[in-house]
Amino acid sequence: ELKVEQNPLFLSMQEGKNYTIYCNYSTTSDRLYWYRQDPGKSLESLFVLLSNGAVKQEGRLMASLDTKARLSTLHITAAVHDLSATYFCAGTSGTYKYIFGTGTRLKVLA
Amino acid sequence: ETGVTQSPTHLIKTRGQQVTLRCSSQSGHNTVSWYQQALGQGPQFIFQYYREEENGRGNFPPRFSGLQFPNYSSELNVNALELDDSALYLCASSVQGQETQYFGPGTRLLVL
Repeated sequence: ELKVEQNPLFLSMQEGKNYTIYCNYSTTSDRLYWYRQDPGKSLESLFVLLSNGAVKQEGRLMASLDTKARLSTLHITAAVHDLSATYFCAGTSGTYKYIFGTGTRLKVLA
Repeated sequence: ETGVTQSPTHLIKTRGQQVTLRCSSQSGHNTVSWYQQALGQGPQFIFQYYREEENGRGNFPPRFSGLQFPNYSSELNVNALELDDSALYLCASSVQGQETQYFGPGTRLLVL
């Protein structure tokens, strides 16, 4: 069964710095999703990556997918405090369920 | 377009009780999935409903059950509540055959 692992689990970074969150998955996944979750809130969809080599960018966040390496990355450029949240990646197992990683808790320090 | 809604937002129960959580799908969506998110963890798939039938299930015991109604809204029922059932319960709606799911705001359940 599909397993999804993220690292790091916790990330504390200074404003203005760059960093990357990694998402590895164990078997084929048709799609790869990235979500953001603020404390006590639901999941906000960030990106859907559909194919090998896919790259999507929104503001200071950029996600990419390498299906051969079974790796997706979420790159943060020039972090700002508002980006502090927990970020999840999720793959799909069959057509009906998402398998989530454990999440990366990001804290951006002023 | 109305998004996914859930009720109640918060709930406190005691061990052994039963609980029902409700979810209204986004307009035009015919499939509902339920997830359990324990504190500090990623969401775990419970089950999915399509055409009023269970369409797939995760590793949850039978005391977790569900329903889907003709209007595509859904209920999650949990019997014989245990302390470990304390979590955020998320429902997500989608169109069958299209994998993107849209999540509701969640119901936070506390079992004492």
